[in-house]
Amino acid sequence: NAGVTQTPKFQVLKTGQSMTLQCAQDMNHEYMSWYRQDPGMGLRLIHYSVGAGITDQGEVPNGYNVSRSTTEDFPLRLLSAAPSQTSVYFCASSYGGDHTDTQYFGPGTRLTVL
Amino acid sequence: DAKTTQPPSMDCAEGRAANLPCNHSTISGNEYVYWYRQIHSQGPQYIIHGLKNNETNEMASLIITEDRKSSTLILPHATLRDTAVYYCIVRVAGMNYGGSQGNLIFGKGTKLSVKP
Repeated sequence: NAGVTQTPKFQVLKTGQSMTLQCAQDMNHEYMSWYRQDPGMGLRLIHYSVGAGITDQGEVPNGYNVSRSTTEDFPLRLLSAAPSQTSVYFCASSYGGDHTDTQYFGPGTRLTVL
Repeated sequence: DAKTTQPPSMDCAEGRAANLPCNHSTISGNEYVYWYRQIHSQGPQYIIHGLKNNETNEMASLIITEDRKSSTLILPHATLRDTAVYYCIVRVAGMNYGGSQGNLIFGKGTKLSVKP
């Protein structure tokens, strides 16, 4: 299994541009989520999904959209990038079945908005 | 906000045990204690979790006090590769998350530096 994969690894955008961060998992996990991590801070939850067709907001959802059309993929869309969205973005997934449902994280996407 | 309190940093000598404390005085009866760590620039990695009994796996041991208001993660023989930020998280676990109960809420964690 490849686990949780994220693309791209690095991205530079100009203010106002849009882009999609890709996240995919091959473990048939129901639960997927997106976090952002700013320097010196812990991770903050942006959006999450408990299954295909179901998404919900986390702690910091403004400026981001998500959709979950398949179990495997959970893309994160930035509609109009702002410098405040400069951060490292992590995607995570878990089975969601019981208390052993530990979350697996991807390697991250490092985004800079100029 | 995170429901846990951890010291911001700790040092440990290589080969010695690293004991990382965590306070979670408002933990509910159906909340588990989870530990994750994040090695520089990588995604967080699961270490261990428990409800009320002590737990041990190949990575670490988790000691939870009887009143469940605090816990300690023990790395028995710390190596340089254990240098990382360690996060203590409490969360509800189980079927049908429904709302946000199953989400991981990260605080700032403890930066553990293992020194030669």
